[in-house]
Amino acid sequence: EDQVTQSPEALRLQEGESSSLNCSYTVSGLRGLFWYRQDPGKGPEFLFTLYSAGEEKEKERLKATLTKKESFLHITAPKPEDSATYLCAVQLILTGNQFYFGTGTSLTVIP
Amino acid sequence: EAQVTQNPRYLITVTGKKLTVTCSQNMNHEYMSWYRQDPGLGLRQIYYSMNVEVTDKGDVPEGYKVSRKEKRNFPLILESPSPNQTSLYFCASSYLVVQGFPYEQYFGPGTRLTVT
Repeated sequence: EDQVTQSPEALRLQEGESSSLNCSYTVSGLRGLFWYRQDPGKGPEFLFTLYSAGEEKEKERLKATLTKKESFLHITAPKPEDSATYLCAVQLILTGNQFYFGTGTSLTVIP
Repeated sequence: EAQVTQNPRYLITVTGKKLTVTCSQNMNHEYMSWYRQDPGLGLRQIYYSMNVEVTDKGDVPEGYKVSRKEKRNFPLILESPSPNQTSLYFCASSYLVVQGFPYEQYFGPGTRLTVT
Protein backbone atom coordinates (compact mmCIF):
# COMPACT_ATOMS: atom_id res chain seq x y z
CA GLU A 1 0.00 0.00 0.00
CA ASP A 2 1.45 3.33 -1.09
CA GLN A 3 2.17 5.66 1.79
CA VAL A 4 2.77 8.73 -0.35
CA THR A 5 0.72 9.49 -3.46
CA GLN A 6 1.31 12.37 -5.82
CA SER A 7 -1.14 13.71 -8.36
CA PRO A 8 -1.39 14.34 -11.16
CA GLU A 9 1.35 12.16 -12.65
CA ALA A 10 1.90 14.72 -15.37
CA LEU A 11 0.78 18.29 -15.86
CA ARG A 12 1.10 20.58 -18.85
CA LEU A 13 0.57 24.31 -18.30
CA GLN A 14 0.74 27.34 -20.47
CA GLU A 15 3.22 29.93 -19.28
CA GLY A 16 1.46 32.06 -16.69
CA GLU A 17 -1.25 29.47 -15.97
CA SER A 18 -1.21 28.83 -12.22
CA SER A 19 -1.95 25.39 -10.77
CA SER A 20 -1.32 23.06 -7.83
CA LEU A 21 0.37 19.72 -7.33
CA ASN A 22 -0.86 17.36 -4.64
CA CYS A 23 0.97 15.04 -2.26
CA SER A 24 -1.24 12.93 -0.01
CA TYR A 25 0.00 10.56 2.67
CA THR A 26 -1.67 7.75 4.57
CA VAL A 27 0.95 7.39 7.27
CA SER A 28 0.43 8.51 10.83
CA GLY A 29 2.96 10.27 12.97
CA LEU A 30 4.35 12.65 10.39
CA ARG A 31 7.52 14.35 11.44
CA GLY A 32 8.14 16.33 8.27
CA LEU A 33 7.16 16.59 4.62
CA PHE A 34 9.78 17.55 2.03
CA TRP A 35 9.44 18.86 -1.51
CA TYR A 36 12.18 18.37 -4.09
CA ARG A 37 12.61 19.35 -7.71
CA GLN A 38 14.31 16.96 -10.13
CA ASP A 39 15.54 18.01 -13.56
CA PRO A 40 16.16 15.36 -16.25
CA GLY A 41 19.45 13.56 -15.71
CA LYS A 42 20.06 15.13 -12.30
CA GLY A 43 19.56 14.36 -8.67
CA PRO A 44 16.67 15.88 -6.71
CA GLU A 45 17.16 19.36 -5.33
CA PHE A 46 15.62 20.43 -2.03
CA LEU A 47 12.81 23.01 -2.08
CA PHE A 48 10.87 23.03 1.21
CA THR A 49 10.25 21.29 4.50
CA LEU A 50 6.89 21.51 6.31
CA TYR A 51 6.33 20.21 9.82
CA SER A 52 2.85 21.07 10.99
CA ALA A 53 -0.65 21.49 9.56
CA GLY A 54 -1.26 25.04 8.48
CA GLU A 55 2.38 25.74 7.77
CA GLU A 56 3.28 27.48 4.50
CA LYS A 57 6.61 28.11 2.79
CA GLU A 58 7.29 30.23 -0.29
CA LYS A 59 10.09 30.52 -2.78
CA GLU A 60 9.72 32.64 -5.91
CA ARG A 61 6.71 31.26 -7.80
CA LEU A 62 6.30 28.24 -5.52
CA LYS A 63 4.31 27.95 -2.33
CA ALA A 64 3.99 24.77 -0.30
CA THR A 65 1.20 24.16 2.19
CA LEU A 66 0.44 21.32 4.59
CA THR A 67 -2.77 19.87 6.04
CA LYS A 68 -3.19 16.81 8.22
CA LYS A 69 -3.31 14.43 5.26
CA GLU A 70 -1.85 16.24 2.26
CA SER A 71 0.42 18.91 0.96
CA PHE A 72 0.03 21.18 -2.02
CA LEU A 73 2.70 22.80 -4.12
CA HIS A 74 1.15 25.88 -5.70
CA ILE A 75 2.83 27.28 -8.78
CA THR A 76 1.89 30.85 -9.59
CA ALA A 77 2.42 32.21 -13.12
CA PRO A 78 4.86 29.44 -14.06
CA LYS A 79 7.67 29.91 -16.53
CA PRO A 80 9.22 27.31 -18.86
CA GLU A 81 12.19 27.01 -16.50
CA ASP A 82 9.82 25.62 -13.85
CA SER A 83 9.47 22.48 -15.99
CA ALA A 84 10.74 19.55 -13.93
CA THR A 85 9.55 16.61 -11.88
CA TYR A 86 8.44 17.57 -8.38
CA LEU A 87 8.85 14.96 -5.66
CA CYS A 88 7.50 14.88 -2.15
CA ALA A 89 8.83 12.77 0.69
CA VAL A 90 7.62 12.10 4.22
CA GLN A 91 9.63 11.55 7.35
CA LEU A 92 7.90 9.79 10.22
CA ILE A 93 8.32 10.28 13.96
CA LEU A 94 8.82 6.54 14.55
CA THR A 95 11.37 6.06 11.75
CA GLY A 96 12.78 9.57 11.65
CA ASN A 97 15.93 8.57 9.81
CA GLN A 98 14.08 7.17 6.78
CA PHE A 99 12.33 8.94 3.95
CA TYR A 100 9.41 7.72 1.84
CA PHE A 101 9.04 9.34 -1.56
CA GLY A 102 6.09 9.66 -3.88
CA THR A 103 6.45 8.92 -7.59
CA GLY A 104 6.45 12.57 -8.56
CA THR A 105 4.56 14.97 -10.81
CA SER A 106 6.14 15.79 -14.16
CA LEU A 107 5.44 19.44 -14.93
CA THR A 108 5.83 20.93 -18.40
CA VAL A 109 5.34 24.66 -18.88
CA ILE A 110 4.77 25.64 -22.48
CA PRO A 111 5.91 29.09 -23.65
CA GLU B 1 31.63 23.90 -3.94
CA ALA B 2 29.40 21.80 -1.70
CA GLN B 3 28.60 18.59 -3.49
CA VAL B 4 27.93 14.89 -3.47
CA THR B 5 29.88 12.94 -6.07
CA GLN B 6 29.20 9.46 -7.37
CA ASN B 7 31.27 7.19 -9.55
CA PRO B 8 30.82 5.78 -12.03
CA ARG B 9 27.96 7.69 -13.63
CA TYR B 10 27.15 4.86 -16.01
CA LEU B 11 27.87 1.16 -15.62
CA ILE B 12 26.94 -1.88 -17.66
CA THR B 13 27.84 -5.20 -16.10
CA VAL B 14 26.89 -8.86 -16.17
CA THR B 15 24.99 -10.94 -13.66
CA GLY B 16 27.10 -12.01 -10.71
CA LYS B 17 30.08 -9.70 -11.22
CA LYS B 18 30.70 -7.79 -8.00
CA LEU B 19 30.69 -4.02 -8.28
CA THR B 20 31.02 -0.95 -6.08
CA VAL B 21 29.52 2.47 -6.62
CA THR B 22 31.35 5.16 -4.70
CA CYS B 23 29.79 8.17 -3.02
CA SER B 24 31.60 11.07 -1.42
CA GLN B 25 30.45 14.34 0.14
CA ASN B 26 32.46 17.41 1.13
CA MET B 27 29.97 19.01 3.54
CA ASN B 28 30.92 17.12 6.70
CA HIS B 29 27.43 15.65 6.86
CA GLU B 30 26.72 12.93 9.40
CA TYR B 31 23.86 11.35 7.46
CA MET B 32 24.27 9.57 4.14
CA SER B 33 21.87 7.41 2.20
CA TRP B 34 21.42 5.39 -0.98
CA TYR B 35 18.28 5.33 -3.11
CA ARG B 36 17.22 3.62 -6.26
CA GLN B 37 14.79 5.24 -8.69
CA ASP B 38 12.61 3.14 -10.98
CA PRO B 39 9.78 4.26 -13.27
CA GLY B 40 6.44 4.06 -11.49
CA LEU B 41 8.05 3.26 -8.15
CA GLY B 42 9.79 6.51 -7.35
CA LEU B 43 12.77 6.83 -5.08
CA ARG B 44 13.20 3.99 -2.61
CA GLN B 45 15.69 4.01 0.20
CA ILE B 46 18.22 1.16 0.22
CA TYR B 47 20.48 1.91 3.20
CA TYR B 48 21.33 4.88 5.32
CA SER B 49 24.04 5.82 7.75
CA MET B 50 23.82 8.16 10.72
CA ASN B 51 27.58 8.38 11.17
CA VAL B 52 30.82 6.46 10.81
CA GLU B 53 30.31 2.74 11.44
CA VAL B 54 26.53 3.23 11.89
CA THR B 55 24.40 1.90 9.06
CA ASP B 56 20.82 0.67 8.82
CA LYS B 57 18.45 -0.84 6.28
CA GLY B 58 15.96 1.15 4.30
CA ASP B 59 13.00 -0.23 2.44
CA VAL B 60 14.82 -2.28 -0.21
CA PRO B 61 18.17 -3.51 1.18
CA GLU B 62 18.17 -7.03 -0.32
CA GLY B 63 21.14 -7.64 -2.59
CA TYR B 64 23.08 -4.58 -1.41
CA LYS B 65 25.79 -3.88 1.14
CA VAL B 66 27.21 -0.63 2.44
CA SER B 67 30.01 0.49 4.69
CA ARG B 68 30.87 3.78 6.37
CA LYS B 69 34.49 3.77 7.43
CA GLU B 70 35.04 7.48 6.83
CA LYS B 71 32.58 10.30 7.35
CA ARG B 72 32.79 11.56 3.77
CA ASN B 73 32.43 8.22 1.95
CA PHE B 74 29.54 5.77 1.69
CA PRO B 75 30.07 3.13 -1.00
CA LEU B 76 27.30 0.87 -2.26
CA ILE B 77 28.33 -2.72 -2.95
CA LEU B 78 26.51 -5.23 -5.11
CA GLU B 79 28.22 -8.55 -4.45
CA SER B 80 26.26 -10.54 -7.03
CA PRO B 81 24.24 -8.17 -9.21
CA SER B 82 21.10 -9.41 -10.90
CA PRO B 83 19.03 -7.88 -13.73
CA ASN B 84 16.37 -6.67 -11.26
CA GLN B 85 19.00 -4.33 -9.83
CA THR B 86 19.11 -2.43 -13.11
CA SER B 87 18.15 1.05 -11.98
CA LEU B 88 19.19 4.65 -11.42
CA TYR B 89 20.99 5.03 -8.10
CA PHE B 90 21.34 8.19 -6.04
CA CYS B 91 23.49 8.91 -3.05
CA ALA B 92 22.43 11.68 -0.68
CA SER B 93 23.75 13.36 2.43
CA SER B 94 22.35 15.60 5.15
CA TYR B 95 23.30 17.30 8.36
CA LEU B 96 21.43 16.37 11.52
CA VAL B 97 19.14 18.87 13.20
CA VAL B 98 19.18 19.46 16.95
CA GLN B 99 16.85 16.52 17.63
CA GLY B 100 19.22 14.20 15.79
CA PHE B 101 17.17 13.69 12.63
CA PRO B 102 18.33 14.30 9.06
CA TYR B 103 16.99 17.35 7.32
CA GLU B 104 17.23 18.44 3.68
CA GLN B 105 19.21 15.99 1.61
CA TYR B 106 21.81 16.88 -0.98
CA PHE B 107 21.76 14.38 -3.83
CA GLY B 108 24.51 13.23 -6.13
CA PRO B 109 24.11 13.21 -9.92
CA GLY B 110 23.12 9.54 -10.10
CA THR B 111 24.59 6.29 -11.37
CA ARG B 112 22.77 4.46 -14.11
CA LEU B 113 23.39 0.73 -13.69
CA THR B 114 22.46 -1.92 -16.21
CA VAL B 115 22.88 -5.60 -15.31
CA THR B 116 22.59 -8.02 -18.21
